[in-house]
Amino acid sequence: DAGVIQSPRHEVTEMGQEVTLRCKPISGHDYLFWYRQTMMRGLELLIYFNNNVPIDDSGMPEDRFSAKMPNASFSTLKIQPSEPRDSAVYFCASSLQNQETQYFGPGTRLLVL
Amino acid sequence: KNEVEQSPQNLTAQEGEFITINCSYSVGISALHWLQQHPGGGIVSLFMLSSGKKKHGRLIATINIQEKHSSLHITASHPRDSAVYICAVKGGSEKLVFGKGTKLTVNP
Repeated sequence: DAGVIQSPRHEVTEMGQEVTLRCKPISGHDYLFWYRQTMMRGLELLIYFNNNVPIDDSGMPEDRFSAKMPNASFSTLKIQPSEPRDSAVYFCASSLQNQETQYFGPGTRLLVL
Repeated sequence: KNEVEQSPQNLTAQEGEFITINCSYSVGISALHWLQQHPGGGIVSLFMLSSGKKKHGRLIATINIQEKHSSLHITASHPRDSAVYICAVKGGSEKLVFGKGTKLTVNP
């Protein structure tokens, strides 16, 4: 298996622009997680899905952030409009079932100027 | 106070030394994870524990549920072990809460 796939790997954009991050989980996994990592706050959970349904979005910082999972093999995290404080590495992870190991994607490094 | 505290924040060792990284948490958990983040940024899950001890190669992870404490040990450390080691706990849901990480540097 190719593992969790994220795209793009790097994104540089200007403040106010829309940013869309993409994730393909490992086939057969039924949990998908979006994380953000910054120097100040470390790793934080933004939202997670179970069987394509959002379960906990309490970590989504504000209405500018939205996430969707239209099917079992694809998820997006959108920021609109983007701000410089959104600059971070965004990780997607997937797991098979309750309490199983999470497998992380390589991350998307976002810089908002 | 963070729910998950790691110590030390930074650790420098000589090749061959025995290394211990500690993790304390303040909430009830169903599982604890140790993750490794390589200098390039990739994150790998090392262990998932709910009790006792697990061993994989030169890595050993232990957990004491009563004391709300876990340790990650590395025997015969090597420069390739240099990475950030992150402790994360899981409560009643699938949500992971992370420590800030311990940056380990092993010098040859």
